[in-house]
Order: sequence, then structure tokens, then C-alpha cells
Amino acid sequence: GDSVTQMEGPVTLSEEAFLTINCTYTATGYPSLFWYVQYPGEGLQLLLKATKADDKGSNKGFEATYRKETTSFHLEKGSVQVSDSAVYFCALTYNQGGKLIFGQGTELSVKP
Amino acid sequence: NAGVTQTPKFQVLKTGQSMTLQCAQDMNHNSMYWYRQDPGMGLRLIYYSASEGTTDKGEVPNGYNVSRLNKREFSLRLESAAPSQTSVYFCASSARDRGSTEAFFGQGTRLTVV
Repeated sequence: GDSVTQMEGPVTLSEEAFLTINCTYTATGYPSLFWYVQYPGEGLQLLLKATKADDKGSNKGFEATYRKETTSFHLEKGSVQVSDSAVYFCALTYNQGGKLIFGQGTELSVKP
Repeated sequence: NAGVTQTPKFQVLKTGQSMTLQCAQDMNHNSMYWYRQDPGMGLRLIYYSASEGTTDKGEVPNGYNVSRLNKREFSLRLESAAPSQTSVYFCASSARDRGSTEAFFGQGTRLTVV
């Protein structure tokens, strides 16, 4: 079945470091891909999305490109801040609204 | 600007007890969802309601029932709680059940079954 796999956490970085969180997916069709972020004590919120191959989603300095050939949607940010400390979830949907298949989440901790 | 509101935020149950988790959204969304979040497993869909008056099973529906009370409210019921249902439960809503529309999540209910 369809699935999403993320890199293991926790990831610990110093402020201003470069961030990559890997996400790969297994899908029988052509899903839309998402990154959601969960700040401590809060629910998930959409960070960015891409709906077709080669699309790049971006928001708040984060970027991810939908790569069909490598079935990947890696999250990147050039310079992380302490306020980026959170759990990041990669997810997919076959254009079914909020019916999402999530990866296991990657915890990011940014130290000053 | 409440968005999706869940109650309660924390709950401890004894095995065999029942309880209902409440969820309400004020965004006039048609579709609502219940997920559970377990360590190392991400979020998994329990039940969803594409529109008022309809409900369908998700990936992990066993041990749960749901009610779409009206367009705003979608409750999740545990009839006889088991330790395996210890988890964090999230309610979410989206404008529709089609397309790559954004899902909005509540803050979660942390449930412990002892």
C-alpha cells in the first residue's frame, strides 16, 4: 500500500545551520505531497505543499520539491532558528481533502 | 478565531470505561476527521466524515465509533477503553473531501488508558 517514510529523529542543529529532512514515498498513483509542522503543545499546521511532479512548495524559508523520479519530497531550509524547533510530518493524499497518509514525524531541535 | 476545538485536552481512563471526545470547527468546513498519533508511527486515520450525515472508516477504526452531530461537530467514542488506545487524538477539518485542500487540526487530546 501507499506509505511515507521520513528520516529518523531527533535532529539537533545549531542556529543558522542548514536543514534537510528526508522524505520518500511509495504510491501507486500521483499524489499531492505535504509538509505539516507541529509546534510543542499544538496541533499540526500546513507548512507547504506540492500537487504535481517538479512543483516546489515554499513557506517561511522552507522549501521542498516534488521529485517523481526519486519519489522524494525532502524539506530544506537554509538557516534554521530556535523557533523552528518542532516535529515535522511529511504526508500524501490522492486529492482526498484531509484524508492523509503521514510519515512517522521528525523532531527538530535548534540550539542557540 | 478558534478553528478546530477539541475537548478534553487530557484524560485518564480505566480499562473498560467509556468516553466521548468532542470536536467542533467554526470554519464552515464540510469534511472532518479523527486521527490518532502514536510514537514512531505518525498519524493514522480512524474515521472521517466527508459531509454532514456521512461517516466512513479509516485505517484503524476498530474499538471506536463516531457521530457527525451537525456540520460543526464530530465526536469520537470509545465504548470500552483498552490500554492499546492510549494515544494522542487529533480532530481535523477541511473545506471538502476532494482536491489537495488544507486540513486544519485541533490541539489534540492526550488519552491514557490504565
